[in-house]
Amino acid sequence: SQTIHQWPATLVQPVGSPLSLECTVEGTSNPNLYWYRQAAGRGLQLLFYSVGIGQISSEVPQNLSASRPQDRQFILSSKKLLLSDSGFYLCAWRPGQLSYGYTFGSGTRLTVV
Amino acid sequence: DAKTTQPNSMESNEEEPVHLPCNHSTISGTDYIHWYRQLPSQGPEYVIHGLTSNVNNRMASLAIAEDRKSSTLILHRATLRDAAVYYCILRDRGVGNQFYFGTGTSLTVIP
Repeated sequence: SQTIHQWPATLVQPVGSPLSLECTVEGTSNPNLYWYRQAAGRGLQLLFYSVGIGQISSEVPQNLSASRPQDRQFILSSKKLLLSDSGFYLCAWRPGQLSYGYTFGSGTRLTVV
Repeated sequence: DAKTTQPNSMESNEEEPVHLPCNHSTISGTDYIHWYRQLPSQGPEYVIHGLTSNVNNRMASLAIAEDRKSSTLILHRATLRDAAVYYCILRDRGVGNQFYFGTGTSLTVIP
């Protein structure tokens, strides 16, 4: 069966520090991968998605970047965090097919102080 | 992307049915209707999806209007564990199309 792993669960980082959040999927190949962010009391905002290794699409200009170095690995990064980067970050995957739904990871709660 | 409109919040008594509405008047013929829910401090989880016909699964039922401009998620007997934010999302069945979440409906279940 397919599983998605996301870590860490919580993170407190100072302003200006770097960030690296990792997401991996097991039990499938060539998944579509996604990063979402949810600010406090808000809906989910799509940040990045990837349909293959090295293929990244950015939805919103921002202080963050994403990379996909391996088929089932998706990384969210920042060189210098801002206070506004605080939020709940969620990784998700789906098969690269038609109407299948998403499976989300358990999320990382990031607080920038 | 076609947008959806949902009430911000709803309440239901425990063990009673809940009907969560969603309007999507600009839906296209190839848009699937998906429902997800998000429990506090967790990632969203899939509930149900459909295209034209009503759908049933172990979690819920999805009633789709004949003109497809609205749909209703039906929880047959609400439990305290059903308290969550419910998102109604349209997604074109094309491979490159993504999910865009709105703010959803926050469901409170009253014991």
